[in-house]
Amino acid sequence: DQQVKQNSPSLSVQEGRISILNCDYTNSMFDYFLWYKKYPAEGPTFLISISSIKDKNEDGRFTVFLNKSAKHLSLHIVPSQPGDSAVYFCAASARGFQKLVFGTGTRLLVSP
Amino acid sequence: GAGVSQSPSNKVTEKGKDVELRCDPISGHTALYWYRQSLGQGLEFLIYFQGNSAPDKSGLPSDRFSAERTGGSVSTLTIQRTQQEDSAVYLCASSRFTSGSYEQYFGPGTRLTVT
Repeated sequence: DQQVKQNSPSLSVQEGRISILNCDYTNSMFDYFLWYKKYPAEGPTFLISISSIKDKNEDGRFTVFLNKSAKHLSLHIVPSQPGDSAVYFCAASARGFQKLVFGTGTRLLVSP
Repeated sequence: GAGVSQSPSNKVTEKGKDVELRCDPISGHTALYWYRQSLGQGLEFLIYFQGNSAPDKSGLPSDRFSAERTGGSVSTLTIQRTQQEDSAVYLCASSRFTSGSYEQYFGPGTRLTVT
């Protein structure tokens, strides 16, 4: 049972445009959500997070939106840069549980 | 400062052999996690250590898998009698145990191939 779903395995965007990566979850107990970026042969690196008490969190070019009623979150990258090309994982955690539940990832390719 | 380190970076083993994977967390991080990523899959939680508390082993796929954390720092994940389906990248992560923050910092992983 996939509790965190990233339905788009890949996304291609031109440099300078907006990248929107989507994530859906099924477990209503999740209250903290994170995005990680992963380059080949490296471990995932933390990008941005959001608590369920918020609906938006922004950090530079990265913004995460949370729609609790739809159990949906999205990561916006604007403007996209070629260095953003990587696999992006959405992850979620439930109160009191430190383990993260990850989606299967979306491979983003930003072309010059 | 130094990040999470893992060794070996690559391990090829024959089916049926035992393997040990090592993780050195970030100094001062009290929580340590093991995940694995099989081909085309997301990261799958295996086990979680927090301080002196009993570990959360709920993600271990079988009793061939075990892990220990010595002295609250270094951790070893052991897989006995390896099977081909154990082939994956095994990732270790650590974090400060801070209420309301679940940010985990990952090592580069160990790629395990069982032939």
